[in-house]
Amino acid sequence: QSALTQPRSVSGSPGQSVTLSCTGSSYDVGGYKYVSWYQHHPGKAPKLMIYDVNKRPSGVPDRFSGSKSDNTASLRISGLQAEDEADYYCSSYAGSYTYVFGTGTTVTVL
Amino acid sequence: QVQLQESGPGLVQPSETLSLACNVSGGSISNYYWSWVRQPPGKGLEWIGYVYYTGSTSYNPSLRTRVTISADTSKSQVSLKLSSVTAADTAVYYCARQLGFKGYMDVWGKGTTVTVSS
Repeated sequence: QSALTQPRSVSGSPGQSVTLSCTGSSYDVGGYKYVSWYQHHPGKAPKLMIYDVNKRPSGVPDRFSGSKSDNTASLRISGLQAEDEADYYCSSYAGSYTYVFGTGTTVTVL
Repeated sequence: QVQLQESGPGLVQPSETLSLACNVSGGSISNYYWSWVRQPPGKGLEWIGYVYYTGSTSYNPSLRTRVTISADTSKSQVSLKLSSVTAADTAVYYCARQLGFKGYMDVWGKGTTVTVSS
């Protein structure tokens, strides 16, 4: 069970859009529609942003959207805002009631 | 509103057992899964395992031989024990409420830092 691969960092100016990728295998991301994304501001509790690949919990702005193609999931942040600057982790069901997180991406708002 | 609070020793000796508790307030632990997740310094999140309120468990294969997670419904508390710790187990440990077997964690504690050192 290896961590899902995410780019170390992405950046964008306020108002722009950024897309974060999360690459796994057919044993996790590619095998199930159970991908989630978490926003993590250092020192705080992680926050669920996306579940079931593309669903948003109540209270999460629609600027955040998710998708999946084969073994890669993506999180798109549109209309980037200063408060979006954080670490983002994807996670996937990996079978046999186990789960795997991604390596994490730091989003910087320029 | 459900709140989670992790507690336990901040310093553990190598080869000993790390023991943490997660107190659940504002709601019942019944009918939910409860996970532990950790984050070593400078690294990403790692799922440790979960316990369902009935007591059934699942663990990360890489930690399975050293981990025990349990739930006490009478105390609204979830516990983590990790044996034979080394410096590699130094991390911030989070407990989280998990929504079903799909693994989505919708409520998290603020985390507690555990350092393994002599």
